[in-house]
Amino acid sequence: DAKTTQPNSMESNEEEPVHLPCNHSTISGTDYIHWYRQLPSQGPEYVIHGLTSNVNNRMASLAIAEDRKSSTLILHRATLRDAAVYYCILRAYSGAGSYQLTFGKGTKLSVIP
Amino acid sequence: ETGVTQSPTHLIKTRGQQVTLRCSSQSGHNTVSWYQQALGQGPQFIFQYYREEENGRGNFPPRFSGLQFPNYSSELNVNALELDDSALYLCASSLDGLAGAYNEQFFGPGTRLTVL
Repeated sequence: DAKTTQPNSMESNEEEPVHLPCNHSTISGTDYIHWYRQLPSQGPEYVIHGLTSNVNNRMASLAIAEDRKSSTLILHRATLRDAAVYYCILRAYSGAGSYQLTFGKGTKLSVIP
Repeated sequence: ETGVTQSPTHLIKTRGQQVTLRCSSQSGHNTVSWYQQALGQGPQFIFQYYREEENGRGNFPPRFSGLQFPNYSSELNVNALELDDSALYLCASSLDGLAGAYNEQFFGPGTRLTVL
């Protein structure tokens, strides 16, 4: 499976934008880029996904490099509730229309009040 | 709409015992995936069930087995427990098999298993 590389940790001040980078230099043409986050004592939750174009939703934006070898998750205004581990994942097809997620260690985001 | 639930929340077993963990999928979902998350690590994929059949497996030995029932609830069974099996076990459900559909996985809160 193609792998992703993320910084172990990052800090942000509350109400400032946060840019979480991810490198995936071995990505294949059909791999979708996913981001999930895991709040303390909870299971992971979906944040956003994309293939080639930049994407926006109510939680975040995803900026994908033109060569698709890297991407950046953007939280426009960090809140204390955004403190979590953020996982950048390349989704692999496992047959019958199903997919599996291969998690790395992720980036632990701390938000400073 | 009910989310993904798991039981029990915590469990303590001794080495060599067997354990069964349960997961109730989100309503309408036909696929369940199980993950193991050791302390300080990301979740590791164990296996996935789609319409009651195993549909993908990670690098876990055969003593990790599972079942998915007609109502799409699921069990994870682990035999001959080892100390390294101590972890948070997560299940995630999704609605798969639809061409072109996006298959977001919805995770439960997990079961914390401690093996002594």
